[in-house]
Amino acid sequence: EAQVTQNPRYLITVTGKKLTVTCSQNMNHEYMSWYRQDPGLGLRQIYYSMNVEVTDKGDVPEGYKVSRKEKRNFPLILESPSPNQTSLYFCASSFGNTIYFGEGSWLTVV
Amino acid sequence: AQKITQTQPGMFVQKKEAVTLDCTYDTSDPSYGLFWYKQPSSGEMIFLIYQGSYDQQNATEGRYSLNFQKARKSANLVISASQLGDSAMYFCAMRDLMRGGSEKLVFGKGTKLTVNP
Repeated sequence: EAQVTQNPRYLITVTGKKLTVTCSQNMNHEYMSWYRQDPGLGLRQIYYSMNVEVTDKGDVPEGYKVSRKEKRNFPLILESPSPNQTSLYFCASSFGNTIYFGEGSWLTVV
Repeated sequence: AQKITQTQPGMFVQKKEAVTLDCTYDTSDPSYGLFWYKQPSSGEMIFLIYQGSYDQQNATEGRYSLNFQKARKSANLVISASQLGDSAMYFCAMRDLMRGGSEKLVFGKGTKLTVNP
């Protein structure tokens, strides 16, 4: 079964405490990306990766880092989270016209 | 820049009836792809249907069909025989292909569909 798996699904953390949201896909897709969803703003792309060791900024990259050391994994790193990064985060994996989203990670920064 | 517009913040439909959710788009690219996603209250994004700009026929997937009018730049989602489980947010999205092979989905603001019993 095609899957994009994100962890954690729910997290409440404090300002400044580094955290990582993991993303893994089992479809051998080269292209992966991260989005955040905010009320009234819809979904916006944070970072994307076209292949292993190839990553680039999306529309809202500030405050985030990513890495792509292997094809299946694309973690999102918040080095020093702030309250404005409270959001619903989605990892996506795609090939051609097929785009799969993970189940989403609800992140609250207090 | 590509843009997706969903003009209906909320829609109501009776169970077993059909409903149309509107989506218009703006692009200067001759080749593009349009997606519809369903987001229930639990938050996950569920792929429903895809339409390519060169596809000759309107896409259909079970109870979902896409009314694609290229000249009008609209890609409306039609849900037939609505069920209570169809109550959710629905997002229209367009794939924006950028230089160097990168891509992103550009989303509309969404339409909240409520199915009444």
